[in-house]
Amino acid sequence: AQTVTQSQPEMSVQEAETVTLSCTYDTSESNYYLFWYKQPPSRQMILVIRQEAYKQQNATENRFSVNFQKAAKSFSLKISDSQLGDTAMYFCAFMTPNFGNEKLTFGTGTRLTIIP
Amino acid sequence: KAGVTQTPRYLIKTRGQQVTLSCSPISGHRSVSWYQQTPGQGLQFLFEYFSETQRNKGNFPGRFSGRQFSNSRSEMNVSTLELGDSALYLCASSPSGRARSYEQYFGPGTRLTVT
Repeated sequence: AQTVTQSQPEMSVQEAETVTLSCTYDTSESNYYLFWYKQPPSRQMILVIRQEAYKQQNATENRFSVNFQKAAKSFSLKISDSQLGDTAMYFCAFMTPNFGNEKLTFGTGTRLTIIP
Repeated sequence: KAGVTQTPRYLIKTRGQQVTLSCSPISGHRSVSWYQQTPGQGLQFLFEYFSETQRNKGNFPGRFSGRQFSNSRSEMNVSTLELGDSALYLCASSPSGRARSYEQYFGPGTRLTVT
């Protein structure tokens, strides 16, 4: 079974700073997808960024980028120039693209607070 | 495109009752998954439906069931409610097809409180 670990329950940074959220996972699969989801307070969960395991290049979406280390089974999220709107719970998630088993396995989340 | 919608948004039920939650996926999405979110257990997968068939089921008791209709809308049902069923129930839809990216798009959730 796959597991996802987020070792930082809470983090806080000053606005405009850069912050990195950690995520490690355990799997015996070679083909899989990794995701970071953001859940703002009392608001909908939204997808931040996606990484395919067979792609060596790290994914980037505007101020959000990942550091994907496949051998180390590490998938960290870097938020540059943090903004107040980045305050949210961040969940790391794992999925294997196997027909009939396409479920997301989530980590426990990191509560990120951006301080004005 | 309209996003994933879930109804109702909030629900209060009494122990022993049953409840039905509804989810309408993004237009064109044929896969619908359900997750339970609680402070203690986090986000846990309940089940996934594709073309009206349950493809995958999480580790939940048989009191939790679901179905999907021909228009891809999905419902989940919880019978004989227990206090521990109090949670935010999230529905997510995903596109299908060979070029799919396996991303799941979440609805706002239904917050169920069991008293």
